[in-house]
Amino acid sequence: GIQVEQSPPDLILQEGANSTLRCNFSDSVNNLQWFHQNPWGQLINLFYIPSGTKQNGRLSATTVATERYSLLYISSSQTTDSGVYFCAAGTYKYIFGTGTRLKVLA
Amino acid sequence: EPEVTQTPSHQVTQMGQEVILRCVPISNHLYFYWYRQILGQKVEFLVSFYNNEISEKSEIFDDQFSVERPDGSNFTLKIRSTKLEDSAMYFCAGRTGAALTEAFFGQGTRLTVV
Repeated sequence: GIQVEQSPPDLILQEGANSTLRCNFSDSVNNLQWFHQNPWGQLINLFYIPSGTKQNGRLSATTVATERYSLLYISSSQTTDSGVYFCAAGTYKYIFGTGTRLKVLA
Repeated sequence: EPEVTQTPSHQVTQMGQEVILRCVPISNHLYFYWYRQILGQKVEFLVSFYNNEISEKSEIFDDQFSVERPDGSNFTLKIRSTKLEDSAMYFCAGRTGAALTEAFFGQGTRLTVV
């Protein structure tokens, strides 16, 4: 089945810094989403982005489906951005990556 | 914006007891899913459900698990005889189509088996 890998596994930033999170997937997919898991464990949907580029405030995402990767950009990071970021990809069901744990220091 | 609603948000149960986790999907969704996340691990697919039957299930989804949509709105996951290792966060999700459509996730039910 499809494999989804995320990098880096851990990231520590100073407030105000920018970061790029990467998601690689091993096979063609029709669906891809980025989630932020908050401290209460809820999955907050950031982007549905099977291809192309989207932006929402300080966050943006790009998926290059032909090359099987997606990137999540966080600009001017804030302490509230801390948490785990998951990429999920698939055709019918989602396969989740192992996540990137982000800590933003004040 | 419509939401997928899960109840309860947290459930504590004794080992061997049956639990039912409930989900109310968005009304126009046709495809439904359950995922689980053991603490500190990644989110894993359990089962997908379409047209009142299971369309796919993972190795995790053994005979102690069952799903149904009894009244056309609620989508439930039943665990017949809970084990300690069933302790996890369980997420319900729904979408309008099988592919090229966004999945909407509920806020999760944290199940603790003691």
